[in-house]
Amino acid sequence: DAKTTQPPSMDCAEGRAANLPCNHSTISGNEYVYWYRQIHSQGPQYIIHGLKNNETNEMASLIITEDRKSSTLILPHATLRDTAVYYCIVSGGTGNQFYFGTGTSLTVIP
Amino acid sequence: DAGITQSPRHKVTETGTPVTLRCHQTENHRYMYWYRQDPGHGLRLIHYSYGVKDTDKGEVSDGYSVSRSKTEDFLLTLESATSSQTSVYFCAITTSGARESTQYFGPGTRLTVL
Repeated sequence: DAKTTQPPSMDCAEGRAANLPCNHSTISGNEYVYWYRQIHSQGPQYIIHGLKNNETNEMASLIITEDRKSSTLILPHATLRDTAVYYCIVSGGTGNQFYFGTGTSLTVIP
Repeated sequence: DAGITQSPRHKVTETGTPVTLRCHQTENHRYMYWYRQDPGHGLRLIHYSYGVKDTDKGEVSDGYSVSRSKTEDFLLTLESATSSQTSVYFCAITTSGARESTQYFGPGTRLTVL
């Protein structure tokens, strides 16, 4: 079973920041938070991951609460190409399984 | 994209026939995974491999077998395909540090069992 809870859908205006929340209240100390997205029926695309500190890369920022029970993925300037299903996953070290839930379907509106 | 290819990309077959899907990687990664994705669902793990000839079951392994005779290839076999195995199948590999294991996915194989 997925260890995360995400809203099923969200809308965001083009050019605005998209903030996608994720609850992972049962996360354990050695588990990372990963975010992926899937566009149409393509393979999931890695976005970002983190353990307890906030992380930023060229695609997005990841904000993890101090208690690590929730996180937010931020797409700073959403474009139409960011329309996709976004998955939040928690997982431990090498070989640990990824459990995908149903994710959040983000629609970027022109 | 971590040099992952899947073949075939599309396949239509009949109930009761054997089917083998291939995942090929070029970067010598140790861990490889097979997932399936059905409409309205996230990906579910079928089997994974942690080395040549080392495999283990995932969440939905019934009706599937796997083999890994060399590092670069991970094969998924449906011994006798059923309509419930109509799905999109994704292969993944792990690039890992000491404590983290980011997975990268292939383009998928769309399988239809009539």
